[in-house]
Amino acid sequence: GQQLNQSPQSMFIQEGEDVSMNCTSSSIFNTWLWYKQEPGEGPVLLIALYKAGELTSNGRLTAQFGITRKDSFLNISASIPSDVGIYFCAGQKVGNFGNEKLTFGTGTRLTIIP
Amino acid sequence: DTEVTQTPKHLVMGMTNKKSLKCEQHMGHRAMYWYKQKAKKPPELMFVYSYEKLSINESVPSRFSPECPNSSLLNLHLHALQPEDSALYLCASSRRGVSTDTQYFGPGTRLTVL
Repeated sequence: GQQLNQSPQSMFIQEGEDVSMNCTSSSIFNTWLWYKQEPGEGPVLLIALYKAGELTSNGRLTAQFGITRKDSFLNISASIPSDVGIYFCAGQKVGNFGNEKLTFGTGTRLTIIP
Repeated sequence: DTEVTQTPKHLVMGMTNKKSLKCEQHMGHRAMYWYKQKAKKPPELMFVYSYEKLSINESVPSRFSPECPNSSLLNLHLHALQPEDSALYLCASSRRGVSTDTQYFGPGTRLTVL
């Protein structure tokens, strides 16, 4: 199925560094969601964005819904070891017959170098 | 409370076995979802139930049979699976299944087919 373009694919950073990742699409979305997934676990919702241009923070995390509704970014400030995991963006738009689907990005794997 | 629970956590089955995965939420959500996730890939949508009715089947083989007994429960019945069906199976729920909803995921069932 369709996937969103998410970059970078992986990041290797040192503790304390800031992180930035983004998702782009050729389609317009009504909602952008950012999830974090750790090995063997389900995705955990980090931030949900509902309006074009919206900028939302959750602790050290900040995400924005692009003004064109075709992109979103996630920033993590002052990374800590527990930030390690795979981050997925996901967009949602009206589907056929009113049935909505999430379209996932390809994921960004974050590794913190000791 | 944004908890979706799934049982079992791990499941190993032979190709001739019949087993079921279970998912439960008590958030009053009326849309529930099954996803399949292979290693290092984003989740892939399998089924969507909206108000206890199957609304989306993403061309999933008939060896996977979903069931929604009530608004809080979602089952996935498995029969005659293949080794390539081994994956993490994720359940999710959302309030109404519309494009402004937020999907919350369970921890997943790690399925191994021998």
